[in-house]
Parts: sequence; structure tokens; C-alpha cells
Amino acid sequence: GAVVSQHPSRVICKSGTSVKIECRSLDFQATTMFWYRQFPKQSLMLMATSNEGSKATYEQGVEKDKFLINHASLTLSTLTVTSAHPEDSSFYICSARDLSGWEKLFFGSGTQLSVL
Amino acid sequence: KNQVEQSPQSLIILEGKNCTLQCNYTVSPFSNLRWYKQDTGRGPVSLTIMTFSENTKSNGRYTATLDADTKQSSLHITASQLSDSASYICVVSGSSVNKLSFGAGTTVTVRA
Repeated sequence: GAVVSQHPSRVICKSGTSVKIECRSLDFQATTMFWYRQFPKQSLMLMATSNEGSKATYEQGVEKDKFLINHASLTLSTLTVTSAHPEDSSFYICSARDLSGWEKLFFGSGTQLSVL
Repeated sequence: KNQVEQSPQSLIILEGKNCTLQCNYTVSPFSNLRWYKQDTGRGPVSLTIMTFSENTKSNGRYTATLDADTKQSSLHITASQLSDSASYICVVSGSSVNKLSFGAGTTVTVRA
């Protein structure tokens, strides 16, 4: 079946560095990808909606200069956490919607970011 | 206020037993409701998707019900297995297929 691949699964970095997370749809085209953040024992919080070939739409309270999103192709979206700080430590998840049907929404396996 | 409320927050059941998780929502207009299973440190995996006209849908030992009039859904797990230990998330879509409302999830722990 359709798979969304997310890398890396875990990253530890020093404060002030930037981290890039990739989200790929492996066997379908996704004009729309979503990025979420999840704290322990809490629900997924939508950060931004990424549309291929255009600027991402950020949710209220999410800094677009902090969380850079690029959706350059129908199968790849990236999230870059710039100048990461310990408060950015979280579980980040992407999802992708298959063009062929509204019901086909698949999630990546998530990235655990730890900023020291 | 969250538009999707799940209960209980967590539960513990013995292997082989059944359990039922609840999801109440206020999202309107309503498009579809999904149940996902999320293992710790992993992304959610889809279990069922139901639209307004569907009352029940099964996926193996998982059976979801939907009452669009009362805006309630349930997920029933039959003959639980240790591998069922996970968080179960209810997700409701409204007027836009891109706008999803997530419940906080129910953490299920199955013990031998």
C-alpha cells in the first residue's frame, strides 16, 4: 500500500543548529503535505500545510521563519527547524494526501527531535 | 475548546478481553471520521474511515461505529492482543478535507 517515508527518525542536535526533516510519498503523488508537532501524551498539532510549488500555510502561532517548509516536488516536502532551541524538542510528524482520493491520507513514522 | 473529545484518556485491559473507546465531536459541517492507531514513537496508522452515511466499519478485530446525529463514534477492540497496546486517535474532517481535528487519544494497555 501507499507509504510515507520520514527521515530521520531521531535526531539530537546542539542548540543553535538547524535540522532538516524529510517527508516523501513513496508510491503516490501528494500535492498537499501536512506537518504536525506532538508533545508526550498529547494530540497532534497541525503546524503547517504544504502545497507543491507554492508557499506553505502556517497555523496561528507557528513561526514561518523558524520552521521552514519546502515542497518542491509532488513526492517530497521538507521541514527545517532553524536555530533550534531546547523548547523545539518534540515529535514531528508529516502526512501526505494522495491526489487520487480524499480518503487517502497517510502519516510518516515521525521524527523525535532532541535539542541539547 | 477541542472539537474532538475522546474517552477514556487511558485504560488497561487483560489480553483476550474486549474494550470500547469513545469519541464525541462538535465539528460542523461533518465530512468524515477516522480512527488511527499510534504506537509509541511512531506515526499514526489508519484503522477506519467513515463518512456521514456510514454507521459501522470493521477492520479485523477493530470495529468503528458512527452516529452522525449525536456526533458520536466508538471503536471496539475484540479479543485484545498485546500488540493492541497503543494510542488510538479519533480524527474528524469538516468542510475542508485538509482541515482535520484531532482528539487527544486514548492510551490502551493490554496486559498478559
